[in-house]
Formats: sequence, structure tokens, C-alpha cells
Amino acid sequence: QLQLQESGPGLVKPSETLSLTCSVSGGSISSGDYLWGWIRQPPGKGLEWIGSVYYSGSTYGNPSLKSRVTVSVDTSKNQFSLKLSSVTAADTAVYFCARHGRVCSGTNCFAFDIWGQGTMVTVSS
Amino acid sequence: QSALTQPPSASGSPGQSVTISCTGTSSDVGGYKYVSWYQQHPGKAPKFMIYEVSKRPSGVPDRFAGSKSGNTASLTVSGLQAEDEADYYCSSYADSNTWVFGGGTKLTVL
Repeated sequence: QLQLQESGPGLVKPSETLSLTCSVSGGSISSGDYLWGWIRQPPGKGLEWIGSVYYSGSTYGNPSLKSRVTVSVDTSKNQFSLKLSSVTAADTAVYFCARHGRVCSGTNCFAFDIWGQGTMVTVSS
Repeated sequence: QSALTQPPSASGSPGQSVTISCTGTSSDVGGYKYVSWYQQHPGKAPKFMIYEVSKRPSGVPDRFAGSKSGNTASLTVSGLQAEDEADYYCSSYADSNTWVFGGGTKLTVL
């Protein structure tokens, strides 16, 4: 059964770069028509899609964050990563990694079907 | 890219039905049949409930039903149960290979 697990620092200083990794187990990040994405949720607020990556390295990003976001994949480690630069307090959130459909298949159609448990990142000096 | 619009709250008594709306634009909800819904209990990751507007993944009860008309999608929960109390989020594929979420609706079972 496919599982995703986020890892990274829980505290980042303002103006620095937030870096997180999502490890995929129980399946290959290179298989199937799926994208691997990052979603965040500020405390008490809703979900926001940040960006996604295909195993080939192709990336897709939220226009409102795109200038600060880098999403990458390491197929040899079965991991993908997020870097968010120039962070402020507004970037404080729970960050989730998730698998989502890149095309319509039998059991998915562009939806986020498997999620990591999430990791809290606080931006503070 | 603007978030999809959901009512902040909804409620119903056990056994009743409740419908949550999700309004977007022709660039997302109205332009594609790729609307999905997620259930999130406090402190947990979202759970995948509906995809392609109205299809249920394996294991999701048929009490959960999705639909769409124009730029507005809806999630109806029938036969409300205590465990249905949670936050619900819609999401849509949108123009230029992007995805957008709604602001979320807190469902209370009275």
C-alpha cells in the first residue's frame, strides 16, 4: 500500500528557504500517470495547492507562489522535494505531500488520492 | 488563481441530508469535469471522497454524492452520521495545468 511521509525542519527563520522532502514507500514514484504534489494549510485555514512534479522532472506550480517555489524529484531515492524561498510568517502552515492524477484513469481523475500525514512548519526568528 | 467559494459552515441532524456548494469559474469548476472532494477531521490529513464530480473511490459510502451545474459543484451527504462531522474541501483542475481548492466547509452534526 502506497504511503507518503513528509520530513524537514519544523522551524524556519524569516527570509530563509523552507525545505521539505516527501518519501514514497510501497510503490514507485516513477510508475503510473501521477503527479506528486505539495499542499499547505495555515492554522485554522483552508488548503492551498503549492506545486507538483512528474517523475520525468516536469513541474507545475501555483501562479501566486511560483516565483518562490521549486519542486523536484529524485527517482533513485523515491522522493520528491519542496523548496520555498524568502519565507515570512504567512508561510507558517502544515505542509502535506500527496499523489494526484495527471490524466483520467479508472480510479482517479486529476484528484489527490493519497496524502502524507502532514508536517507543521513555523516561520519565526 | 482564486480559491473556490464554499460556505464556511453547514449543519444537519442525524439521518438528515446536507448539501455543500463549491463555486468557481469557467476556468476551473465550470470548464472541467475534474472536481474532487475531501473530508478532513481535526489534526488529520484530508481523505479522498469524490472524484470526477460524482465518482466515489472504493470504500467511500454511497451516502456521499457529488454533482455539478455550471460553475458550481455540490456535495450531498445523506443519512448524516456523527462521524461525518468534519471539514470538507472541494478541489478542481484548472487552466494551465493548475489545481485549486475551496476554502472549506465545517459540517456539524447536531
